[in-house]
Amino acid sequence: GESVGLHLPTLSVQEGDNSIINCAYSNSASDYFIWYKQESGKGPQFIIDIRSNMDKRQGQRVTVLLNKTVKHLSLQIAATQPGDSAVYFCAETEPMNYGGSQGNLIFGKGTKLSVKP
Amino acid sequence: DSGVTQTPKHLITATGQRVTLRCSPRSGDLSVYWYQQSLDQGLQFLIQYYNGEERAKGNILERFSAQQFPDLHSELNLSSLELGDSALYFCASSVDSYSNQPQHFGDGTRLSIL
Repeated sequence: GESVGLHLPTLSVQEGDNSIINCAYSNSASDYFIWYKQESGKGPQFIIDIRSNMDKRQGQRVTVLLNKTVKHLSLQIAATQPGDSAVYFCAETEPMNYGGSQGNLIFGKGTKLSVKP
Repeated sequence: DSGVTQTPKHLITATGQRVTLRCSPRSGDLSVYWYQQSLDQGLQFLIQYYNGEERAKGNILERFSAQQFPDLHSELNLSSLELGDSALYFCASSVDSYSNQPQHFGDGTRLSIL
């Protein structure tokens, strides 16, 4: 079945540095991708999304890059802060005509980001 | 605050019991999704409702069921509970039932089976 995976389970960065979290997805028909941040004791928090007709999208201090050729997704966090410490998940949805459930998300395993002061 | 409310936050019960988890979606959202998060399986989609009707099913056990009420709140019913059902259960909501839109998650219900 389809799955979304992450290259690195843990990432440790210095405060102020940029962070890059990577994700590989397996379904070339996926048309929508989301990054979530999950802090301890909380639910996944929406960070940024991107549709398959784009290759880059920027938010506040975050950028998502999509490379459909190699089915790779990345989240870049600029000037990482201690408050960015959390587990980050990428997720994908599948279009209905490929048999995937309408709108449901398939999550990767997550990457734990630790920010050192 | 995502606007999605889940109750209770914690639930402790014994094997063989039945529990009901409740979710109120964000104002204006018609679609509700339930996910299970366990240490070994990560976040797994269980079931989706849209405007009161079941729309999609994922890895949901037959012992589990859900419904969405006319006021759009949803309940997830877990019965004949087993130790392996211990997990975090999240509800998410979105505006409609289509993909290409973000889902917003509540803070979950932590279910512990003793």
